[in-house]
Amino acid sequence: GDSVTQMEGPVTLSEEAFLTINCTYTATGYPSLFWYVQYPGEGLQLLLKATKADDKGSNKGFEATYRKETTSFHLEKGSVQVSDSAVYFCALSGNQAGTALIFGKGTTLSVSS
Amino acid sequence: SAVISQKPSRDICQRGTSLTIQCQVDSQVTMMFWYRQQPGQSLTLIATANQGSEATYESGFVIDKFPISRPNLTFSTLTVSNMSPEDSSIYLCSVKEQGGQPQHFGDGTRLSIL
Repeated sequence: GDSVTQMEGPVTLSEEAFLTINCTYTATGYPSLFWYVQYPGEGLQLLLKATKADDKGSNKGFEATYRKETTSFHLEKGSVQVSDSAVYFCALSGNQAGTALIFGKGTTLSVSS
Repeated sequence: SAVISQKPSRDICQRGTSLTIQCQVDSQVTMMFWYRQQPGQSLTLIATANQGSEATYESGFVIDKFPISRPNLTFSTLTVSNMSPEDSSIYLCSVKEQGGQPQHFGDGTRLSIL
């Protein structure tokens, strides 16, 4: 079945460092890909999405490109802030109507000043 | 995007009791889902709440333990029955709006069972 694999955390960075969180997927067909973020004590918020190959999703300085040839959707940010400390989840959704999200295990990011 | 209100936001319950979690959306949505997030873990889909019919449960989840209602296109409930400490989790409601993606989530219900 479909699955998502994320790099293990935690990831600990200093403010203004470059961030990469790797995400690869296994799916039949052409899924949509997402990054969600969960700040401490809160629910999940959609960070960005991409619905087809070579699409680049971006939001709040974060970017991820849908790479079908490598089945990847890595999250990047050029300069992290303390406020970016959170858990990041990569997820996919199949193209059939009513398909729910399949999540990776999540990666905890901790940014220090 | 849809605004999702989930109640209660947190609760502490005694083992053997049941708790019903409500999910209210400010617009009609096609799909509603219930997820569980165990401590330090990712999200696992419990079931898809179907309007006017029985929910569709994922492997490992059964109706007797997690009965779900969805009387209309804006509201759903999840009951956690006969609770044990292993049910201590965050339970999240998620919706998918008509004709679009992606899914949006409520703030979750943080449930602790003593």
